[in-house]
Amino acid sequence: SQQGEEDPQALSIQEGENATMNCSYKTSINNLQWYRQNSGRGLVHLILIRSNEREKHSGRLRVTLDTSKKSSSLLITASRAADTASYFCATDRNTDKLIFGTGTRLQVFP
Amino acid sequence: DGGITQSPKYLFRKEGQNVTLSCEQNLNHDAMYWYRQDPGQGLRLIYYSQIVNDFQKGDIAEGYSVSREKKESFPLTVTSAQKNPTAFYLCASSSPGTSVETQYFGPGTRLLVL
Repeated sequence: SQQGEEDPQALSIQEGENATMNCSYKTSINNLQWYRQNSGRGLVHLILIRSNEREKHSGRLRVTLDTSKKSSSLLITASRAADTASYFCATDRNTDKLIFGTGTRLQVFP
Repeated sequence: DGGITQSPKYLFRKEGQNVTLSCEQNLNHDAMYWYRQDPGQGLRLIYYSQIVNDFQKGDIAEGYSVSREKKESFPLTVTSAQKNPTAFYLCASSSPGTSVETQYFGPGTRLLVL
C-alpha cells in the first residue's frame, strides 16, 4: 500500500527555475523523508523532517511539513540539469518501516 | 569505503528457476530491507530484518524468501512461485532508533525473465 502520493507526477522546467513537489499522506507519522533516484540507480536520502518540525533547509533544498493537512513540499531552488531525477517522499507511519510514495519525475532542461 | 553493494547488476531467470540476489553492507547497520520497484512506480517492501536471525514480511512477500545469518548480509531469493518477477530490486539498510531513520540504498539489481 502506498502511504504517500506525490504531486505532480512529472515536472519539466528550465535551468535556474525553482521546482516544487508535494507529498500527501494518510496517517500520523514520526518523520517524513525525501529521496532522490537517478534513472536506473538506487535512492539517495536528501532530507528528513520530524513531525514536530515545520520547515527544514539543506543547501538548495527546502522542505515544509504541515501535519494538520498531512502534507509536505520539497522546493529545489535555482535548479540545474543535474537535478533531473525522480523524487520520492517516504513516511514511517509510526511503524518500523518506511512507506514510499509514487514519485515525481523532474526534468530540468539546460 | 563504506556502503551497500548489490550483485549482480543484471540477472536473468528462466521459467521455474529460483534466483538469489546478494546484498552486503559494511555500515554496521542493524536493519536491512528489500524493495521491489516496477517501471514508473514507487518502492514496495518485500522483507525486512531488524536484527540477525530475524526478519518480517513486508507488503509483497509472496514468492520471495530471505535469510539473515550475518549482520552484513541479507540475500533475497526469488522463487518459482513469484509469477511476475521482472522488476528492479533495491536493498537498503539503516540504524534504527525509535522511528525509522535514514535508509541507505544499494545500486539495485534488475531481474529479467527469459
